[in-house]
Amino acid sequence: EAQVTQNPRYLITVTGKKLTVTCSQNMNHEYMSWYRQDPGLGLRQIYYSMNVEVTDKGDVPEGYKVSRKEKRNFPLILESPSPNQTSLYFCASSSMRAGWETQYFGPGTRLLVL
Amino acid sequence: AQSVTQPDIHITVSEGASLELRCNYSYGATPYLFWYVQSPGQGLQLLLKYFSGDTLVQGIKGFEAEFKRSQSSFNLRKPSVHWSDAAEYFCAVGGAMEYGNKLVFGAGTILRVKS
Repeated sequence: EAQVTQNPRYLITVTGKKLTVTCSQNMNHEYMSWYRQDPGLGLRQIYYSMNVEVTDKGDVPEGYKVSRKEKRNFPLILESPSPNQTSLYFCASSSMRAGWETQYFGPGTRLLVL
Repeated sequence: AQSVTQPDIHITVSEGASLELRCNYSYGATPYLFWYVQSPGQGLQLLLKYFSGDTLVQGIKGFEAEFKRSQSSFNLRKPSVHWSDAAEYFCAVGGAMEYGNKLVFGAGTILRVKS
């Protein structure tokens, strides 16, 4: 089954404790992206990657890092989480050939930073 | 810069009634436009998309949307709402590479369906 998976789905952590949220897709998509969703703000893009070793900032990259060492994986790293990073995070992927804009979303990771 | 406005935060309709969710966008070129739906506790599912051509596009679950360039709008419609349509709906715009290969989402409209 074609899908985007995220782990963990739920995470509670404390300020300053490094964490990684994994994202994996099995569709051989070139484009992958991370979004955060906050009430009243919709989804905002954090980072995106158009292929292996190619990443770029979205609208709200501060406090986040990403890497794209393999085509299928695009982890989101919070080096020193803060309470304002409490949010619902979505990973998405798409095919550059079919059109990067048609993105397939993972189920989301709900993060609480205390 | 790209932006999307969904003027209605909440909408309540009766089951069987028609639905229209509004979306206005700001974009410097021909946009790519999308509607996504998010059911409670779920990820986002693509309902429909407009890239070019016929301005009335059909999507899944009986939804349709009409692109009106003169009004910078891409409103979502459904002739008869079902209780299972209760969800949050997001309009999004995306486009050319010079805009950073990103989708910009509206704030969302929460649809409630009353029986």
